[in-house]
Amino acid sequence: EDKVVQSPLSLVVHEGDTVTLNCSYEVTNFRSLLWYKQEKKAPTFLFMLTSSGIEKKSGRLSSILDKKELFSILNITATQTGDSAVYLCAVDSGAGSYQLTFGKGTKLSVIP
Amino acid sequence: GAVVSQHPSRVICKSGTSVKIECRSLDFQATTMFWYRQFPKQSLMLMATSNEGSKATYEQGVEKDKFLINHASLTLSTLTVTSAHPEDSSFYICSARSSVGQPQHFGDGTRLSIL
Repeated sequence: EDKVVQSPLSLVVHEGDTVTLNCSYEVTNFRSLLWYKQEKKAPTFLFMLTSSGIEKKSGRLSSILDKKELFSILNITATQTGDSAVYLCAVDSGAGSYQLTFGKGTKLSVIP
Repeated sequence: GAVVSQHPSRVICKSGTSVKIECRSLDFQATTMFWYRQFPKQSLMLMATSNEGSKATYEQGVEKDKFLINHASLTLSTLTVTSAHPEDSSFYICSARSSVGQPQHFGDGTRLSIL
């Protein structure tokens, strides 16, 4: 059974701090790993990673994948209160219609 | 780009009612749409996968007669919760993908409350 594990499950930081969110996975037929941000509604897409060692960046957010260690991290620098959300990691396992298996998420709270 | 619209955002109705939720991809054609259910403080659980023009594939434990899915066009999928009961109350989210290997983009979800 495909499995995606995120850590920590929750995190409280002060504005300006840098945070690292972790995602490990065990899946068959790996295709890609995706990061989403979920606030009060549905998830919004952040990154899709398919190759090891290539960092993807978008503003203060960046992410990288290690396919040998079956691991990905999401970094957020200079955090702001607007970064408070649940960050979801999902793996496209390439089974059937290439469905996503989601982790339970990391709830990030950024306090002023 | 990649906007997915889900409607309605909130439904409150009596037990026994059937509820229809629409999911539209606004600026791309979605060959595949997915329906998820999310319980409080839990992650998304896939209910079914639908490909345009064919029958939906349901995950184990999801009753296909209870959750009717129609994907009649490349931009619209609907989920009908038939004869809803309080245990069906949940947050239902759809997503759409233009093609294999592309990311799924999510609608804003529908919070369903059955009284």
